[in-house]
Amino acid sequence: GQNIDQPTEMTATEGAIVQINCTYQTSGFNGLFWYQQHAGEAPTFLSYNVLDGLEEKGRFSSFLSRSKGYSYLLLKELQMKDSASYLCAVRDGNYQLIWGAGTKLIIKP
Amino acid sequence: IAGITQAPTSQILAAGRRMTLRCTQDMRHNAMYWYRQDLGLGLRLIHYSNTAGTTGKGEVPDGYSVSRANTDDFPLTLASAVPSQTSVYFCASSFPRGRPPELGSYEQYFGPGTRLTVT
Repeated sequence: GQNIDQPTEMTATEGAIVQINCTYQTSGFNGLFWYQQHAGEAPTFLSYNVLDGLEEKGRFSSFLSRSKGYSYLLLKELQMKDSASYLCAVRDGNYQLIWGAGTKLIIKP
Repeated sequence: IAGITQAPTSQILAAGRRMTLRCTQDMRHNAMYWYRQDLGLGLRLIHYSNTAGTTGKGEVPDGYSVSRANTDDFPLTLASAVPSQTSVYFCASSFPRGRPPELGSYEQYFGPGTRLTVT
């Protein structure tokens, strides 16, 4: 079956750096997405990786290794507003999005 | 509208009743989706539509139906609601679903959600 694993919850300190990991096993691969979801709100798109390597967008970076079935989202200079759930999703061989359960990130002052 | 809207925002529904959740987008996206989100589980696809006039079943379609009469609207109907359908429902849209990734990420854009409680 298809599976995406990410930690359920992580805690970090304001101003620090945190890395959220995502491992996947899917039938085919056509890209990996990271979304941010604040409590009670809709998911919003953060990043997309389809080739191996690092994609940087301001304080957020996303890394992909297709051979290892692995990605991470790196958040730098953490702010209180970064407290949210982070969803990893893989577009499989049929172009269907498979979603992980999400990682709840708690930022402490 | 500028984006995707959903209605109602929340609803309490008696079991056995019929309910239609509305979704409208003004981005001229071809593809639209309905998901449900439950605590501890990822987003699960209920139904999708690649273009107006076509629909398909997702991972959890039982008890739900959809229609796509035009590009903008994609209503989701619960014919006879059951308590297990208590969830948060998100509508989403994107450019064509099956386009090769080298042409772009074609990320999905989400509506604000409908919180449905079936009693």
